[in-house]
Amino acid sequence: SQKIEQNSEALNIQEGKTATLTCNYTNYSPAYLQWYRQDPGRGPVFLLLIRENEKEKRKERLKVTFDTTLKQSLFHITASQPADSATYLCALGRGAGSYQLTFGKGTKLSVIP
Amino acid sequence: SAVISQKPSRDICQRGTSLTIQCQVDSQVTMMFWYRQQPGQSLTLIATANQGSEATYESGFVIDKFPISRPNLTFSTLTVSNMSPEDSSIYLCSGRQGYSEQFFGPGTRLTVL
Repeated sequence: SQKIEQNSEALNIQEGKTATLTCNYTNYSPAYLQWYRQDPGRGPVFLLLIRENEKEKRKERLKVTFDTTLKQSLFHITASQPADSATYLCALGRGAGSYQLTFGKGTKLSVIP
Repeated sequence: SAVISQKPSRDICQRGTSLTIQCQVDSQVTMMFWYRQQPGQSLTLIATANQGSEATYESGFVIDKFPISRPNLTFSTLTVSNMSPEDSSIYLCSGRQGYSEQFFGPGTRLTVL
């Protein structure tokens, strides 16, 4: 069956360091992958989209990679700040022509001052 | 970008009753979706709301339990029918234009006693 796994439920990191979150998937051939941020009591907020033919995308302090051979995406936050503390969700587009997203459970990131 | 609002933001309901959640988008979107998120869990897609036609439901969700309307490109409702405590969850409305980012409402926190 299709499965999305985010490496850990919680990740603690010191301020200023680079946070790396992992999203692995099995039995999928996603056309694209997205990362979202969710704060407590709020809906998810879109961060980045990467397509299957792209290796890397950047946006300010954020970087995402997509390896369709390893079936893995890595999400990096450089120079992390306490304001980056949130739950980060990866979401896979189910396939070509599909608008539906399947979400992972998320990784709760805490950046410690 | 699009801003999505939901009403009510939260409710406490009795078993056996029904609740209708409203979702309003401040601009036209091609796709609208309804998700459920239980504590500590990922978002689960309930259905895709189709304008002017019946919604498309995911496996495990049926129209009799979760009737959905979408009379135009900016508004949708989800009804949770004949509620039981197992329906206690956060219900999220989402909109999307093409394959780009997906916007989420703040969610409706439902508690069924």
